[in-house]
Amino acid sequence: GAVVSQHPSWVICKSGTSVKIECRSLDFQATTMFWYRQFPKQSLMLMATSNEGSKATYEQGVEKDKFLINHASLTLSTLTVTSAHPEDSSFYICSARPQGAALYNEQFFGPGTRLTVL
Amino acid sequence: GQSLEQPSEVTAVEGAIVQINCTYQTSGFYGLSWYQQHDGGAPTFLSYNALDGLEETGRFSSFLSRSDSYGYLLLQELQMKDSASYFCAVHSGGYQKVTFGTGTKLQVIP
Repeated sequence: GAVVSQHPSWVICKSGTSVKIECRSLDFQATTMFWYRQFPKQSLMLMATSNEGSKATYEQGVEKDKFLINHASLTLSTLTVTSAHPEDSSFYICSARPQGAALYNEQFFGPGTRLTVL
Repeated sequence: GQSLEQPSEVTAVEGAIVQINCTYQTSGFYGLSWYQQHDGGAPTFLSYNALDGLEETGRFSSFLSRSDSYGYLLLQELQMKDSASYFCAVHSGGYQKVTFGTGTKLQVIP
């Protein structure tokens, strides 16, 4: 089956530093990847849609200069949380849609990255 | 924008049947998915409905009524391992982005 990995699985950083999270599709190519954020006991909130080779599309209320997304290849998308603050502490999850997939239901989720900002 | 509503919590007995409802409001609707998420884990895909009617996959079934903007997930022969959060999600827009509902925490009791 299609596997999506995320690295790191958890990270603790100091306030004001930047953190990069990688999302990789291991056995398929993904033209589209999605980044979500989930606070404890809440739903997944879509942050942005990332398409290979083009700029990401951010959801309303998500600061594109704070959450930098780079989808440089068909198997890798990165999310960089710049100048992180404690309120950015959350569970960040990516998902990937296989290249050529019917555009409705195929997306595979990574295991998530738990970010804690001190 | 999109909005989805689900009950926040449901408790059911092992071996029983439970139905989790989802109502939604969205534009550019393509379909409705259901995901399961255990505490600390990532969501896993359960089902997808693009057309009206019932889709069955083993113990899980999902129903959609596009005219009513309503769907449900039906879980049969409940097992303890089914205790988890269940999210409905609408697929909409040009990139078929997926917007998740508020989630329903299911607790299966002996």
